[in-house]
Amino acid sequence: DIQMTQSPSTLSASVGDRVTITCRASQNMSTWLAWYQQRVGKAPRLLIYKASTLETGVPSRFSGSGSGTEFTLTISSLQPDDFATYFCQQYNTYARTFGQGTKVEIK
Amino acid sequence: EVQLLESGGDLVQPGGSLRISCAASGFTFSNYAMNWVRQAPGKGLEWVATISGSGISTYNADSLRGRFTISRDNSKNTLYLQMNSLRADDTAVYYCAKTRAFRGVYDAFDIWGQGTMVTVSS
Repeated sequence: DIQMTQSPSTLSASVGDRVTITCRASQNMSTWLAWYQQRVGKAPRLLIYKASTLETGVPSRFSGSGSGTEFTLTISSLQPDDFATYFCQQYNTYARTFGQGTKVEIK
Repeated sequence: EVQLLESGGDLVQPGGSLRISCAASGFTFSNYAMNWVRQAPGKGLEWVATISGSGISTYNADSLRGRFTISRDNSKNTLYLQMNSLRADDTAVYYCAKTRAFRGVYDAFDIWGQGTMVTVSS
């Protein structure tokens, strides 16, 4: 299976900050990567697919980039609603593995 | 409105079995692959299984070693997960999720249910 490693595990930031989360894959997976946001007690929400395509309805402050084995999720100006946990997921192979998550906390 | 509603979560003894369901509405169910993802308390997301829109093809996490079976009834717009030989470490919220692409299998999960809790304990 492809292993997905996110960093950092926890990130402390303030409203208005620019935030970047990294996801590294154990093998080349082109751009078959998605990013999800999960607020406490809620189901995950798709933010980005195919590494950089914004899902309909997702604010433009979210962006994704990368290909191959290294990917990033950027929030250009952190808003109160954005304090949550973020997961990457590869869907290059049948075993659709997730990263371990990055919790974005209020500083 | 596109919606997924899981049900059937329960408290089960170790070694027991349980079938959970996911009722879909608001889209043509048979045109989309469907998935189960679980999340143990305080932990991350773990992909469990995927089934194609027709139900012909299924994909399962190797770690589950054949204990779980995904299926669907397109006439009832319902997805199922049959879980056998349950263990304490199967305790989790189980989410069903729709694959984004029309008739695609390898794609992101764009719609998620609210989850159903399965607890394995004596």
